[in-house]
Amino acid sequence: KAGVTQTPRYLIKTRGQQVTLSCSPISGHRSVSWYQQTPGQGLQFLFEYFSETQRNKGNFPGRFSGRQFSNSRSEMNVSTLELGDSALYLCASSLAGGGQYFGPGTRLTVT
Amino acid sequence: AQSVTQPDIHITVSEGASLELRCNYSYGATPYLFWYVQSPGQGLQLLLKYFSGDTLVQGIKGFEAEFKRSQSSFNLRKPSVHWSDAAEYFCAVVPSNDYKLSFGAGTTVTVRA
Repeated sequence: KAGVTQTPRYLIKTRGQQVTLSCSPISGHRSVSWYQQTPGQGLQFLFEYFSETQRNKGNFPGRFSGRQFSNSRSEMNVSTLELGDSALYLCASSLAGGGQYFGPGTRLTVT
Repeated sequence: AQSVTQPDIHITVSEGASLELRCNYSYGATPYLFWYVQSPGQGLQLLLKYFSGDTLVQGIKGFEAEFKRSQSSFNLRKPSVHWSDAAEYFCAVVPSNDYKLSFGAGTTVTVRA
């Protein structure tokens, strides 16, 4: 089975812009979670989707949003980018009750 | 407060020596427990997981972990490390009634020849 894929792998944006990141889960996995990884804050949970519904959300401002499509693919959007949003954004998919399997991440740099 | 603690920020080990990485958690009930490994510039790879049952869990790449309820610990071990084991290791937990992973700060492992 193909693993979790994320596109793009690298992205450079300017402050104030918005960005959309994409995640395709492992085939058959219906749960998709997003995490932000930074050197200062470590790995932090953003949100989790299951069957197109957001089931859980972390402590991030409303500029961070996401959605899931009927084929379980997910996107996350960050509006009005700030320098502090520079991070590795990781997507993970899982079966109900199983471990989460991560993609390679999208490295976002905000200048 | 709920937390995951990895006491060791950095560990250096000789190739062929044994490795043990510590993880302690603070949750009301026993959560689901995981270890992940991350190589530079890469995503996280699941090494092993514990949900219930046998407290000694075998994972990939020759790793194992032992759950000790009395110590709220889930330590990762490998009998003989290889240079390719140099990476950052994360302990993570999911409360049994939740979906989100909470991670420790990570332990960086350096392997010397």
